[in-house]
Amino acid sequence: GENVEQHPSTLSVQEGDSAVIKCTYSDSASNYFPWYKQELGKGPQLIIDIRSNVGEKKDQRIAVTLNKTAKHFSLHITETQPEDSAVYFCAASMGTGFQKLVFGTGTRLLVSP
Amino acid sequence: EAGVAQSPRYKIIEKRQSVAFWCNPISGHATLYWYQQILGQGPKLLIQFQNNGVVDDSQLPKDRFSAERLKGVDSTLKIQPAKLEDSAVYLCASSFGVSQPQHFGDGTRLSIL
Repeated sequence: GENVEQHPSTLSVQEGDSAVIKCTYSDSASNYFPWYKQELGKGPQLIIDIRSNVGEKKDQRIAVTLNKTAKHFSLHITETQPEDSAVYFCAASMGTGFQKLVFGTGTRLLVSP
Repeated sequence: EAGVAQSPRYKIIEKRQSVAFWCNPISGHATLYWYQQILGQGPKLLIQFQNNGVVDDSQLPKDRFSAERLKGVDSTLKIQPAKLEDSAVYLCASSFGVSQPQHFGDGTRLSIL
């Protein structure tokens, strides 16, 4: 079925360390993979996305990698800061025609000063 | 650019009552989505509109949930009658088109007593 698995569910790091969140998806036709950051009481905010014709994309301290063969994609945050603390969701497009996003279960990232 | 607007921010009702949520998408965005986010989970798509037509409502509990987007801009989501398991945050998102980045509002937090 349509499924996105996300790990870990919680991640604690020290300020300045790197953080990595991993997701796997089930639909081999998936071609769009966004990442969202959700702060308490707010809606998800798009932070970076990647399409299936690209293996890696970087935006300042944030990067995403995609391995289509393994149906696996990851979010990398370098030089973490306390304001990076939030819940992060991965998602994958699924279905044909009007594709929909299926979200992972989320990773709570805590960056300690 | 103004973001996705949702109201109300909070709603508390008793089971079996009805409730309605309103969403105003980003100007020019043809695609509008309603998601349900249960505490501790990722958003789950309920319904997707392309202009004023429904393109996916496969996960909408149609015996109690309804949604409309009459003029292809604003949208309302209604629950009647509400059940305890409907307690969640209802998020609206919009995108320029299908398979384009989705931008979320801050949601309506619904509590059922």
